[in-house]
Formats: sequence, C-alpha cells, structure tokens
Amino acid sequence: QKEVEQNSGPLSVPEGAIASLNCTYSDRGSQSFFWYRQYSGKSPELIMSIYSNGDKEDGRFTAQLNKASQYVSLLIRDSQPSDSATYLCAVNRGYSSASKIIFGSGTRLSIRP
Amino acid sequence: SQTIHQWPATLVQPVGSPLSLECTVEGTSNPNLYWYRQAAGRGLQLLFYSVGIGQISSEVPQNLSASRPQDRQFILSSKKLLLSDSGFYLCAWMPQPNTEAFFGQGTRLTVV
Repeated sequence: QKEVEQNSGPLSVPEGAIASLNCTYSDRGSQSFFWYRQYSGKSPELIMSIYSNGDKEDGRFTAQLNKASQYVSLLIRDSQPSDSATYLCAVNRGYSSASKIIFGSGTRLSIRP
Repeated sequence: SQTIHQWPATLVQPVGSPLSLECTVEGTSNPNLYWYRQAAGRGLQLLFYSVGIGQISSEVPQNLSASRPQDRQFILSSKKLLLSDSGFYLCAWMPQPNTEAFFGQGTRLTVV
C-alpha cells in the first residue's frame, strides 16, 4: 500500500466547472496535509495547507480533511485553463524536528474550453 | 524574505562520471532541508533530509549521498552516475517542523 494515493487521471473538466481531486493516506498519525500544483517541467508550488478536520478555503480553492477516513480533497471552483497542471497531495508524517513530506504520484488535471 | 537557490538548472553527464548538485537557502536559519527526485511522469521520491549541520537521513539506499556542510547549504553527490540516476532533482526547505516545504527550481539531470 502506498503511503499517499491519488488517482493519476487525467481528469478533464470544462472551463468554469468545479474540479474535485482526492487523496488518501495510510499513516493515521499524520498531522499536516498539503496540495501542490506542478506545471510541466517546473517545480511544485504550494497552493493549500490544512492541519485540522473540516474545510479550508482560499480564493477558488477549498481543501477538505477527514482524519477519521484518512482522506484529503481539493476543490477548484470556476476552473480556468491556467489550472491545467498536475496536483500533488502531500502528507507530513514526521515527529518533532524529523519532519518529512511524502507525496502522492499526482493527478493530472486538464481544463477544456 | 526567504529564498532557495538550486543549480544548475540542467545537466547532461556521462555514465560513470561524478555528480554534485548544490542548494542554498537565504533568509532563515536552521531549516530542515530535503532532496527529492522525480522520474519522468512520476511522483516525488524523498532521497535525503537534514535537520541540522552534518545530520543526514537517507530514505532510499542508492548510488547517491548528501552532505550539509553549512546551516543553509545542502549538497547531493554521486561518485559514479548510472543511467537510472536520470531525473528531476528538487531541493526543498521547511521553515518549521511539521509544516509545509518550499521547493527550488530543480535540476534536470540526464545521464547518457
């Protein structure tokens, strides 16, 4: 079982619609969760961090965390062509200073006009 | 503000040659530092991380090593490159334990 699992996609969503990306993780002791966006050939860029159960909204992005189900999701409202990228779910499962972030393999998102 | 520098951006090296990739962070002290590798079309694999000078933890046994000679400097090395070492190498830093990490621009290494 992978530590962080994502559907690889590609996920195709029409422009203006809501894109929904999902992720599950295996380490129940994980404390912090992230979504990164990666454009082709570029390094990952942090778009959302979430630390407690529930929803966290930032502009068009909403991250959702359910620790009981070990599930993290990202909603992108009013999808734009510039949202086309690979989205990486990541989990920080370190303890004290020895933090390390484990990434899923990413979901490719394509926004069609 | 904090910035992370990673170089070179691209590198083509023959099999059997040595490797040295450098990463430096500015505007912070005692950050956690990380090396990841991303194979083509794949996710990020954690290679090494460091919580302080001279402290290196290896995640995956392989043909690579890492060193942290100064607080804000992290170096990835190999004595003899293999074809399988090709990939996109990313350095990252974490300002506080159990928080997010921020990435450098990456080095695309092709071993020929």
